[in-house]
Amino acid sequence: GAVVSQHPSRVICKSGTSVKIECRSLDFQATTMFWYRQFPKQSLMLMATSNEGSKATYEQGVEKDKFLINHASLTLSTLTVTSAHPEDSSFYICSAREDEEQFFGPGTRLTVL
Amino acid sequence: GNSVTQMEGPVTLSEEAFLTINCTYTATGYPSLFWYVQYPGEGLQLLLKATKADDKGSNKGFEATYRKETTSFHLEKGSVQVSDSAVYFCALGYDYKLSFGAGTTVTVRA
Repeated sequence: GAVVSQHPSRVICKSGTSVKIECRSLDFQATTMFWYRQFPKQSLMLMATSNEGSKATYEQGVEKDKFLINHASLTLSTLTVTSAHPEDSSFYICSAREDEEQFFGPGTRLTVL
Repeated sequence: GNSVTQMEGPVTLSEEAFLTINCTYTATGYPSLFWYVQYPGEGLQLLLKATKADDKGSNKGFEATYRKETTSFHLEKGSVQVSDSAVYFCALGYDYKLSFGAGTTVTVRA
C-alpha cells in the first residue's frame, strides 16, 4: 500500500521557538494532505486540509497563523508550529489522500518545554 | 455536524475470544464509514470500510456492517489473537474529510 512518512518522529523544543514537521508521500502523489492532532487517549482532531499549490483550509478553532501549512509539491506538506508553547505539546499526524483513501504517517510527538 | 461515538475501553480479552467494539454515528448526507487500527509505534492503517447502507466491510477476520437504521458500524471478530492488540478507531468520511471516534484500546492475552 501507499506509504507516508513524517519527520521528525519526536521533537523537544523550548517555549517560543518554531518547529517544522514534514509529511511525505513516498510512492504516490497527493494533491491533498491532512494534518491532525491527537491528545492522549483521545481521538484525532482534524486541524487543516493541505492542498498542493494553494492555501490550506483550516478547521474551526485552529489558528492559521499559529500552525503554518505549506504544500509546495505533490509529495510534501509541512506544518510549522510557530512560537510554540507547552499547550502545543501533542501528537501530530498527517495523512495523504490517494483516490478515495487516506494513508497516514506514523506521527510526530512534539514536546514544548 | 458529523460525529462518531465509540465504545470506550480499554478492552482486555483472552486469545480466541469474541470481540465487539460499538460505534454509532451522526451525519448529514451519506457518509462512508471506516475502521482504522493503530498498532504500537505505528501509524493508522485502514482495517475495513463500507461506503453505503447495508454494505459489509471485512478484513483479517474483522467485519462491520453499515446500519443506517441504527446509525451504527460495530466492529466484530470471532476469535482474536495476541497480534490483534492495538487501538481501533471508528471514523466517518464525508467530502474527503474524516471524523474519528475516541479510539478503543484492545489487549489480547495469550
